Amino acid sequence: QQQVKQSPQSLIVQKGGISIINCAYENTAFDYFPWYQQFPGKGPALLIAIRPDVSEKKEGRFTISFNKSAKQFSLHIMDSQPGDSATYFCAATYWGSYGKLTFGQGTILTVHP
Amino acid sequence: SQTIHQWPATLVQPVGSPLSLECTVEGTSNPNLYWYRQAAGRGLQLLFYSVGIGQISSEVPQNLSASRPQDRQFILSSKKLLLSDSGFYLCAWSQYGSLNTEAFFGQGTRLTVV
Repeated sequence: QQQVKQSPQSLIVQKGGISIINCAYENTAFDYFPWYQQFPGKGPALLIAIRPDVSEKKEGRFTISFNKSAKQFSLHIMDSQPGDSATYFCAATYWGSYGKLTFGQGTILTVHP
Repeated sequence: SQTIHQWPATLVQPVGSPLSLECTVEGTSNPNLYWYRQAAGRGLQLLFYSVGIGQISSEVPQNLSASRPQDRQFILSSKKLLLSDSGFYLCAWSQYGSLNTEAFFGQGTRLTVV
């Protein structure tokens, strides 16, 4: 019940294309869903986050879509660039859990020039 | 602004040797602190978290322990390393009482047990 399932494991996109990464959860107590971006040898960095009271959040080229009834959320990267090549993690947590994050397994994104 | 420091960046240790990884946070007080481990090609697994000095909670049984001797210092230790302890260890913090509960990560320590 604590799992967050992420797909695909890897993704190859051409420059300018749209990258889409999907996550699903089961624990309805989750109320905060951040996405992290990680470059090789570095710690994950917070990219964008959403709460279940909104269905979409956009920051620049990055958009989170949230479907509360389906318990699914996704990250869309518009106009993907080679510099976006990294590993992306979805995560979930809930108020009262002391900020403990449950992570998806990660998606390795490669954007070809 | 808040910063998190984690060291060393890389470490190669023989099986059976002790381990001490240190993490400090600057620019905030009473943070929640975490140790995560990332196995190769896999997600992040929470090992320990702390909500205050001397308060440590373990999420998974293992060969490791954690301590928080000061408000903004978090230490990951082992008395005798196993081969299976190899991995990428990440320290993180979040703001105590924050509604957003977002965590901020250090740069990680690559531990190889040989």
